[in-house]
Amino acid sequence: RKEVEQDPGPFNVPEGATVAFNCTYSNSASQSFFWYRQDCRKEPKLLMSVYSSGNEDGRFTAQLNRASQYISLLIRDSKLSDSATYLCVVKRSSNTGKLIFGQGTTLQVKP
Amino acid sequence: EPEVTQTPSHQVTQMGQEVILRCVPISNHLYFYWYRQILGQKVEFLVSFYNNEISEKSEIFDDQFSVERPDGSNFTLKIRSTKLEDSAMYFCASHSGTSSTDTQYFGPGTRLTVL
Repeated sequence: RKEVEQDPGPFNVPEGATVAFNCTYSNSASQSFFWYRQDCRKEPKLLMSVYSSGNEDGRFTAQLNRASQYISLLIRDSKLSDSATYLCVVKRSSNTGKLIFGQGTTLQVKP
Repeated sequence: EPEVTQTPSHQVTQMGQEVILRCVPISNHLYFYWYRQILGQKVEFLVSFYNNEISEKSEIFDDQFSVERPDGSNFTLKIRSTKLEDSAMYFCASHSGTSSTDTQYFGPGTRLTVL
């Protein structure tokens, strides 16, 4: 079983739509959780950290359910510029430990 | 804003040749990492480095790979005898080590093509 699993998509949505991505992780010892964004052939860039209380950054809302080992990302009012691959990332144990990536979910926002 | 830089952006080499990929981490960061991403696949951890030694490595990071911080700024990944399957994007990352909620910042990557 993969340690971090995501639906690869692609998700094709019109501009203005709300889209939700889900992710599950298998290791209950995972300590920190993130969503990264990756544009084609570019480096992963941090979108937001994910906290148990849920957190919001503009149009983006992230949720973490530790009991279900489930992470979500909600994007409201999608823009063309949101088209990218969204990577669910977890970190086990230590503060400075390795990041474990999901395979990513591809989003294509169409006019 | 400080950023991680990597050189070269693209390296083409013949199978069996040695390559050195270079990274300059963010200046006050203490923890350094290499990841790779084979085309169409997920990002995979290779190795982490702290205080001039490897702190963790994956099963991918075999004897053909080595890392070094030869001076106060550069962090290098050497592949001694490249194989076709080493073709991938190689990302360097760094972390300040000061906060549990902080994360790693990635360089733009080096695309390695082994012919």
